[in-house]
Amino acid sequence: GQQLNQSPQSMFIQEGEDVSMNCTSSSIFNTWLWYKQDPGEGPVLLIALYKAGELTSNGRLTAQFGITRKDSFLNISASIPSDVGIYFCAGFYNQGGKLIFGQGTELSVKP
Amino acid sequence: EAGVTQFPSHSVIEKGQTVTLRCDPISGHDNLYWYRRVMGKEIKFLLHFVKESKQDESGMPNNRFLAERTGGTYSTLKVQPAELEDSGVYFCASSRDLRGGYTFGSGTRLTVV
Repeated sequence: GQQLNQSPQSMFIQEGEDVSMNCTSSSIFNTWLWYKQDPGEGPVLLIALYKAGELTSNGRLTAQFGITRKDSFLNISASIPSDVGIYFCAGFYNQGGKLIFGQGTELSVKP
Repeated sequence: EAGVTQFPSHSVIEKGQTVTLRCDPISGHDNLYWYRRVMGKEIKFLLHFVKESKQDESGMPNNRFLAERTGGTYSTLKVQPAELEDSGVYFCASSRDLRGGYTFGSGTRLTVV
C-alpha cells in the first residue's frame, strides 16, 4: 500500500536554529499536508499544499510540494521552545478522504 | 466553533474486556474519520463515514472493531474483545469536504493490560 517515509525521526536543536524535515513516497500524492501534534492533543494542520512545485509559508514555517509529487519538505526558521512536538507529513493519495501519514519527526528545542 | 470532542481521554482495560470510544465531530461536518497511532509508529487510517454511511473501512484491523454513526452525528468505535495489540491512541477527525485537512480531536489513549 501507499507509504510515506519521513525523516529524521527525531531532532534535538538549540533555540534559534533552523529545522528541516522531509517526506518521500514511491507513489504520487495529490495533496500534501503538514501537521503538528502537541503532547496530549490531536494533530493540528500547519500547511496544506495542492499543486506540484507549490511553496507555501505560514509564519516561520515553509513547506514545498515536490515537483515529482512524491515528496515534500517542511522548514522551520528560528526555532523557539513552543515548536516542540511531533510533526507529521500526510498526503491524499486520491480524491477520497483517506490520509496517509508519515511516521513523524519529534522535535526538541533547547532554550 | 466547537472542535472535535472525544471521550474518554484515557482508558485502561483488561484483555478480553470491551471498550467503546466516542467522537463528536464539528457540527455540520458530514465526513468523520477514525485513525489510530500505535506507539512510535505512523497514524493509520481506520475508517471514513459520510454522514451515517461507511465510505471506506479498509483500515479496520479485524472484526473485533465496530464503528457506528447513527443519525450522522456522533460516532462510536467499539473494541470487543480487546487484545494487547489494540493499545494506542485513537483519533477522530471531521471535515466539511474532502479537499483540505481535517480537524482532529485530542484522541483517546487506550491501554490494554
